[in-house]
Amino acid sequence: GNSVTQMEGPVTLSEEAFLTINCTYTATGYPSLFWYVQYPGEGLQLLLKATKADDKGSNKGFEATYRKETTSFHLEKGSVQVSDSAVYFCALSDPVSGGSNYKLTFGKGTLLTVNP
Amino acid sequence: DAGITQSPRHKVTETGTPVTLRCHQTENHRYMYWYRQDPGHGLRLIHYSYGVKDTDKGEVSDGYSVSRSKTEDFLLTLESATSSQTSVYFCAISEGPGQGINEQFFGPGTRLTVL
Repeated sequence: GNSVTQMEGPVTLSEEAFLTINCTYTATGYPSLFWYVQYPGEGLQLLLKATKADDKGSNKGFEATYRKETTSFHLEKGSVQVSDSAVYFCALSDPVSGGSNYKLTFGKGTLLTVNP
Repeated sequence: DAGITQSPRHKVTETGTPVTLRCHQTENHRYMYWYRQDPGHGLRLIHYSYGVKDTDKGEVSDGYSVSRSKTEDFLLTLESATSSQTSVYFCAISEGPGQGINEQFFGPGTRLTVL
């Protein structure tokens, strides 16, 4: 079956530090990959996505590259801000195993805290 | 932001009582989903719908039922709530496979406490 493994948190950084949150996946087909962000007390928001190998998703200074050879989709940001403090979820959508339904499989989430 | 609302936003109930959570969308998306979020588990799919009156089970469906009589509404029912169903419940919508990828949009969540 499908699975997503992301680095366990919490991750605590100082403002302007470099961020990496690792994500690896297992899928039977050719999945699409996503990073979602959840700010305190809110629902999940799509941060970025990639639909095929070597695609790079980017948004708000965050980037992730779809690496088929290492089955990874690591999230990076060059200089984090206090406002980036949130929980980050890696997810995949595998049309093969999901049949016609394209269900999302989520990692367990990584809590990021950025201190001033 | 996608037009998704959930009601109620917070609810406290007692073990054994029935509870219904509502998800309402204004995007006319075909697919709707119910997830629960628990510490250490991330998000887990309870049930989903791929059209009016078309629903199917997710990975943690025991103790839950759903109904979708209109495109815009997806109801989640706990027939007899248990303390293990204390959680935050999220509704999500997507346009479905016709768009190539399943980008899902999430509602604000409902925090349910079962005493």
